[in-house]
Amino acid sequence: QVQLVESGGGVVQPGRSLRLSCAASGFSFSNYGIQWVRQAPGMALEWVAVISYDGSKNYYADSVKGRFTISRDNARNTLYLQMNSLRAEDAAVYYCATPPPGWDAVMATLGDYWGQGTLVTVSS
Amino acid sequence: IQLTQSPSSLSASVGDRVTITCRASQGIRSYLAWYQQKPGKAPKLLIYAASTLQSGVPSRFSGSGSGTDFTLTISSLQPEDFAAYYCQQVNSYPWTFGQGTKVEIK
Repeated sequence: QVQLVESGGGVVQPGRSLRLSCAASGFSFSNYGIQWVRQAPGMALEWVAVISYDGSKNYYADSVKGRFTISRDNARNTLYLQMNSLRAEDAAVYYCATPPPGWDAVMATLGDYWGQGTLVTVSS
Repeated sequence: IQLTQSPSSLSASVGDRVTITCRASQGIRSYLAWYQQKPGKAPKLLIYAASTLQSGVPSRFSGSGSGTDFTLTISSLQPEDFAAYYCQQVNSYPWTFGQGTKVEIK
């Protein structure tokens, strides 16, 4: 069955870096766009980034642009989020998920699949 | 594009009809999705393209709207529907979510 499994979360000091991974299985990963969504404790969902099926296009929320990089390795069926210059406000549970259907064909979606989330804590 | 949901929270009883609105700061055609999220769980897609029911979602959920104004309606609230609801626009990058609506038991 379709699975998305995040890893790489943990406690990191402000200003440091962390790389999250999302391992996909049960579907043709290289055919679909994937997004990162985060949620701080007790707060609303916040969209972070999305990458096209082939990695040629990526887009970011203004709050992370220039600090975070989304990438994918289709040979390894894995999505990444490189997070640099972390701030206290980046602390959240980070989910990888398939995007909802839209107009952009390179962000083709499989359906509604989410990982279980990985917690990032930013603290000195 | 900013998405503003209203109300931020509501109290309702089982069997009530519930309507949540999502207003976009610019036109987004019909590229709006609705999600349900229960505590400690990942969100679940209910509606996409403003009015298309995701497979497996009960028919008491419906969506409408286009341009800047959208609604999610639950025709007869069930005990399992008490949760937070979010809209997401996928018309323009960067994509965005609304701030959420919490549906609580009256």
